[in-house]
Amino acid sequence: EPEVTQTPSHQVTQMGQEVILRCVPISNHLYFYWYRQILGQKVEFLVSFYNNEISEKSEIFDDQFSVERPDGSNFTLKIRSTKLEDSAMYFCASTLGGAQETQYFGPGTRLLVL
Amino acid sequence: AQSVTQLDSQVPVFEEAPVELRCNYSSSVSVYLFWYVQYPNQGLQLLLKYLSGSTLVKGINGFEAEFNKSQTSFHLRKPSVHISDTAEYFCAVNSGYSTLTFGKGTMLLVSP
Repeated sequence: EPEVTQTPSHQVTQMGQEVILRCVPISNHLYFYWYRQILGQKVEFLVSFYNNEISEKSEIFDDQFSVERPDGSNFTLKIRSTKLEDSAMYFCASTLGGAQETQYFGPGTRLLVL
Repeated sequence: AQSVTQLDSQVPVFEEAPVELRCNYSSSVSVYLFWYVQYPNQGLQLLLKYLSGSTLVKGINGFEAEFNKSQTSFHLRKPSVHISDTAEYFCAVNSGYSTLTFGKGTMLLVSP
């Protein structure tokens, strides 16, 4: 069964450093998402991406964040200058499209900012 | 705006006992409702979803949920749990804009 994959599984970085989290969505999916979950809190939507552009983003997704689909398979989330409060589990998801369609999630990247 | 409330952060239960995990939502429009499960060190996996039609929805692993519009609830149930059901369960709502709004999650702890 096809699945969403994410790398790395864990990332430790120093405050102020840039990090890139990588995702490979399911190959025929058209919509891609990033969510995050701070320890003990809700899973929160960050951004959705369709047709090579951002279709929706939350208040969390400020200028420090960017997303890219550099080739036909990868979908990346970049945090330009990490802050302590960026420490969280980051989930990538993909779907064929539409609100009724199931979003398939990757296993997550645990980011720790020191 | 939409929101999801999972009142129980943790539900301990003995193996073979029934369980209900509660989920309430608020939204000004019609919604699609989802339950996801997260096993340790894994991603979120869809258990079941309600889109329309019958209010009783059956999912994988023997779980089912009932949509109750008047009570704005979508509680998850299983008549007899197994040790392997130990996981975190997330209720989520989608109001048609494709982004999911999640609850805080309920940790189901099944003991022998």
